[in-house]
Formats: sequence, C-alpha cells, structure tokens
Amino acid sequence: DAKTTQPPSMDCAEGRAANLPCNHSTISGNEYVYWYRQIHSQGPQYIIHGLKNNETNEMASLIITEDRKSSTLILPHATLRDTAVYYCIVRVYTNAGKSTFGDGTTLTVKP
Amino acid sequence: DVKVTQSSRYLVKRTGEKVFLECVQDMDHENMFWYRQDPGLGLRLIYFSYDVKMKEKGDIPEGYSVSREKKERFSLILESASTNQTSMYLCASSLQPPGANVLTFGAGSRLTVL
Repeated sequence: DAKTTQPPSMDCAEGRAANLPCNHSTISGNEYVYWYRQIHSQGPQYIIHGLKNNETNEMASLIITEDRKSSTLILPHATLRDTAVYYCIVRVYTNAGKSTFGDGTTLTVKP
Repeated sequence: DVKVTQSSRYLVKRTGEKVFLECVQDMDHENMFWYRQDPGLGLRLIYFSYDVKMKEKGDIPEGYSVSREKKERFSLILESASTNQTSMYLCASSLQPPGANVLTFGAGSRLTVL
C-alpha cells in the first residue's frame, strides 16, 4: 500500500468547511483513496473513498488531484461532533482490508 | 444498529493469563480483522480472515492467535498475556470484492495487562 502523509492537527470553526489534506505521491494506478475517522473512544468509521474522480456522499466530499498524488477530504459545514482523528488510506480495492492506519489528522472543531 | 460487537470494552488481566477477545458481526461479511491501536503507532493489523477457518498473519502476529469457526465470529487469543500487549484492540469486518470493500469497526476493547 502507498504511504500517506497527513498534517498531525487542524482546527476549524463550527459551521465552516473543513478541508483535510492527504499526500500519497507513490500511489499506484489501481489504488483507491479511503478516508475514515475515529471519534474519541470509538472504533474508526468509514467516510468515503474514490479512485480518480471526485466523490460526494452525505458525510463529505473527496477531491483527488488529476495526478492522484494528493487528495482533500471536505466536510462542508463542520460541527462539534466532527471533532475526531481523520485517517487517509491508500490501498488496492481487492486487497482484503489489510490497511495501514497511520496517526491521521486530529481535527478540532471550535465553537 | 450495532453491526460489529466486541464482547468487552475494558479488561484487566495479569501477566501469563490466557485472554480471549470476541468479535461478532451481523452483516454477513466474509472478511474479519483484528487490529491493535497504540499512541504514535496508529492501527496495526494483527490477523485477518477471509473465510471460515481461514486466517492470515498481519503485520504483528507474534504473541497472538485467532479462531474463526463461524462466519460471524472472529476471536483473538493471547495465549500468555504480557504487559506489552496492553493496548486498544479493534475488530473490523468487510465484504469481499466486488462488494463494498470498506471496513466496519467495533467499538474496541481496551486491555490492560498487569
């Protein structure tokens, strides 16, 4: 699996968009970008994934650069409940979940 | 709406004890995983299973074993617990491709070995 690099921490004002970057410059053509988050004292929760097109669901949007070397997770209107550690993971879709979770980005949403 | 259930949220055991961590999923997922989470080390894969009675080692299998006798249940076993196995243990499951190959995690089991 390709290695990812994320900033260790970010702050965001409540109600504003939170943009969380991830660098994956060694990504291979068949590797997807996945995002999970972990709220304190809970297990990680899946958010979104994509290959090369931008993706949106009810939780977030995923923007992947054209060269696929980086991506951004966007929480359009952050709330206090979005305070969590966000993990960016890159892996082959058929790989049975042998994912490497690094330290992620701790997002703190402030009132 | 609980989908992956870990039997114990908190356990305290003594060095040398045999420890069983149980995980049950109700989503009919083929794949199941055990991770441990430690500060500064992220989540590390211990073992995973893609079918009943099948298992494969992850990145840190030493000191652990697993059992999968039924599709919905995946157990992590510490044959002789040691203090360096004090950690948060997370169970997860996923479908096999072409199903949605995303991980659904349990709430975690925090194990303290004294």
